[in-house]
Amino acid sequence: GQSLEQPSEVTAVEGAIVQINCTYQTSGFYGLSWYQQHDGGAPTFLSYNALDGLEETGRFSSFLSRSDSYGYLLLQELQMKDSASYFCAVKDYGQNFVFGPGTRLSVLP
Amino acid sequence: DADVTQTPRNRITKTGKRIMLECSQTKGHDRMYWYRQDPGLGLRLIYYSFDVKDINKGEISDGYSVSRQAQAKFSLSLESAIPNQTALYFCAVGENTEAFFGQGTRLTVV
Repeated sequence: GQSLEQPSEVTAVEGAIVQINCTYQTSGFYGLSWYQQHDGGAPTFLSYNALDGLEETGRFSSFLSRSDSYGYLLLQELQMKDSASYFCAVKDYGQNFVFGPGTRLSVLP
Repeated sequence: DADVTQTPRNRITKTGKRIMLECSQTKGHDRMYWYRQDPGLGLRLIYYSFDVKDINKGEISDGYSVSRQAQAKFSLSLESAIPNQTALYFCAVGENTEAFFGQGTRLTVV
């Protein structure tokens, strides 16, 4: 079967750094993506890692370790607008995007 | 205009009724997907299509059917709606590394 695991909730304060972990077990692996979804909105793409290592895009960074079937999303200098749900997703050999259950991030003032 | 458009945005229907959710895209990609979102369960794949002649079942296809009328159009049907199909439904268009989502259809079956 296919499964991705993420923490269900994370809370942090404005200006802090938070890391959201994702472990996966899927039928084939091309890459790991991260998506952000605000309440009432659609998921929007944040990053994609196909190779091991860290990818940085502004305040957000994403890391992948293929040997450990593990990745994380790192959010720096947290802002109130970062309060949202974050989903990791694996692109499998069927060319499908398989999503994790999501992590709800609450940023406190 | 949005790249991926879903209609309707909200719908309340009765148990046993047939309902169709529509999706159209202007991105020109071949890969289209229908996902269902329930609280705490993430996005689960219902059906996917890689071109007009290609339709594939996803993780939770029972109770659903789809039609790929054209490269730009992919419809999801519930032949006989039941209350546990109450959910938020998303259509997505897939690029190599990224999926682009419509704004979603909130469906309530009473």
